[in-house]
Amino acid sequence: EAQVTQNPRYLITVTGKKLTVTCSQNMNHEYMSWYRQDPGLGLRQIYYSMNVEVTDKGDVPEGYKVSRKEKRNFPLILESPSPNQTSLYFCASSLDRGPNTEAFFGQGTRLTVV
Amino acid sequence: GNSVTQMEGPVTLSEEAFLTINCTYTATGYPSLFWYVQYPGEGLQLLLKATKADDKGSNKGFEATYRKETTSFHLEKGSVQVSDSAVYFCALSDREGRDDKIIFGKGTRLHILP
Repeated sequence: EAQVTQNPRYLITVTGKKLTVTCSQNMNHEYMSWYRQDPGLGLRQIYYSMNVEVTDKGDVPEGYKVSRKEKRNFPLILESPSPNQTSLYFCASSLDRGPNTEAFFGQGTRLTVV
Repeated sequence: GNSVTQMEGPVTLSEEAFLTINCTYTATGYPSLFWYVQYPGEGLQLLLKATKADDKGSNKGFEATYRKETTSFHLEKGSVQVSDSAVYFCALSDREGRDDKIIFGKGTRLHILP
């Protein structure tokens, strides 16, 4: 089954403790991205990657890192999480960067930083 | 820059009522337009799309027509069901040059009462 898999689904952590949210897709998609969803703000893009070893900042990259060492994986790293990073995070992938291309989303990771 | 504006929710309707969720966009080029739906506890999934002016996207009884003259892509359904309760996101593709992302509206929560 074609899918985007994120782990964990839920995470509670303390300020400053490094964490990684994993994202994997099995569709051989080139393009992957991370979003955060906050009430009243909709979805905002954090980082995106057009292919292996190619990443770029989205609208809200501060406090986050990503890597794309393999085509299927695109982990999101919070080196020193803070409470303002409490949010619902989504990973998405699409076949390429064409304007008509559908994005496939993971089920989300709800992160709470205390 | 490009942007998407959709009506704020929540929208509450009775089953079998007619639904319209308004969406307008601002774009410099000729974007593709999308409606995504997010069911409770899940990620976003594509509902329908339209890639050029006057195109009509349709799926699961929902329709939306790409209106370039009014820069709109309103979502409609003739008879809603309880199972349509979800958050709906209007989006456009912005993939020219280095701006490689989908721009989402803030979402409209829909409640359908039995």
